[in-house]
Amino acid sequence: AQSVTQLDSQVPVFEEAPVELRCNYSSSVSVYLFWYVQYPNQGLQLLLKYLSGSTLVKGINGFEAEFNKSQTSFHLRKPSVHISDTAEYFCAAINTDKLIFGTGTRLQVFP
Amino acid sequence: GAGVSQSPSNKVTEKGKDVELRCDPISGHTALYWYRQSLGQGLEFLIYFQGNSAPDKSGLPSDRFSAERTGGSVSTLTIQRTQQEDSAVYLCASSPELYSDTQYFGPGTRLTVL
Repeated sequence: AQSVTQLDSQVPVFEEAPVELRCNYSSSVSVYLFWYVQYPNQGLQLLLKYLSGSTLVKGINGFEAEFNKSQTSFHLRKPSVHISDTAEYFCAAINTDKLIFGTGTRLQVFP
Repeated sequence: GAGVSQSPSNKVTEKGKDVELRCDPISGHTALYWYRQSLGQGLEFLIYFQGNSAPDKSGLPSDRFSAERTGGSVSTLTIQRTQQEDSAVYLCASSPELYSDTQYFGPGTRLTVL
């Protein structure tokens, strides 16, 4: 079955520390990959996307992700997090025309 | 320009009642999608529209769920005879074309079935 897997349901981290949120996709889905962020009581906002070309993708708010075909991964990284990065992060892949989401990772940034 | 809007933002209803959820996509976007976000199921696809037609209804969880879109714009998701397991946040998204890469999401409607 086509799937997107986020291995960590929660990631606690201190402010200004680096963070990596992991995402793996099944090879049966397309390699159009996305990271969305959901702040408390808000809708989903696109952080970044990979469609083709450079495997290192830069997004908003200082986030970046690297597409790794051999490991079927698309991990999200930020070198130094802020309190305001506390949110739920969803990895997703396009399957034909609809998004298949991972289960989400809650990033909790502590002062 | 305005983003995707949804109404109501919150809806509390009694089991067995019907509810209608509304989505107003970004102007000019031909594709519209409904998703559901619940604690047990995460984010799941429900249905999408290209214009006024819905070629893929595979995600609708039961025949109590239906959706329509008129005039290629506003869409309504209707849940008949609501059950407690229907409690979730219902998210709407739109994109310029059906195969566009980026979908733009609305803030969602939180449905609580008592």
